Amino acid sequence: ELKVEQNPLFLSMQEGKNYTIYCNYSTTSDRLYWYRQDPGKSLESLFVLLSNGAVKQEGRLMASLDTKARLSTLHITAAVHDLSATYFCAVDSFSGTYKYIFGTGTRLKVLA
Amino acid sequence: ETGVTQSPTHLIKTRGQQVTLRCSSQSGHNTVSWYQQALGQGPQFIFQYYREEENGRGNFPPRFSGLQFPNYSSELNVNALELDDSALYLCASSWGASTAETQYFGPGTRLLVL
Repeated sequence: ELKVEQNPLFLSMQEGKNYTIYCNYSTTSDRLYWYRQDPGKSLESLFVLLSNGAVKQEGRLMASLDTKARLSTLHITAAVHDLSATYFCAVDSFSGTYKYIFGTGTRLKVLA
Repeated sequence: ETGVTQSPTHLIKTRGQQVTLRCSSQSGHNTVSWYQQALGQGPQFIFQYYREEENGRGNFPPRFSGLQFPNYSSELNVNALELDDSALYLCASSWGASTAETQYFGPGTRLLVL
């Protein structure tokens, strides 16, 4: 069964600090997705990573993918309050039938 | 270009009833996926439709069914509602099935089953 795990589940950090969210998945996949969700809102796509070694950056967020380790990271640089949200990674799978599996989510709170 | 829309925004039903949720895809998109998100949890994949056919399905019982129409809008039907069906239901549209294209999510329908 395809599983996607994130850690930490909760993260409270000071503004200006750096931190990394980790996403591990249990099946072979070359594709990894990151999303952001604000409280009571829908999901916003952040990054689509399509190959081993892929790295994408947008503002203070940078995502990378290591398909051999089945690991993706979302690195936050010099956090600001506006980054407070829940971040999800997701993987899709073609084993038998197509499936799309989200991780457990990391709830980030950036303190002023 | 219009985004993904869903209706209704909120819904209250009682156990055993049936419900239909609707989703209008973003212009130019031919694929729609549905997700169930319980409070405090990550979204759970229900199924995906591509060009009016089911392209993939998660671990949901057959009482969860769907349709995609020629204009690529979609419906999610849930029969024999259970209390655990209370959740936020999200649809997402994209271009192409299983192609790693960016999914665009609608605002969701919040369903409460009493």
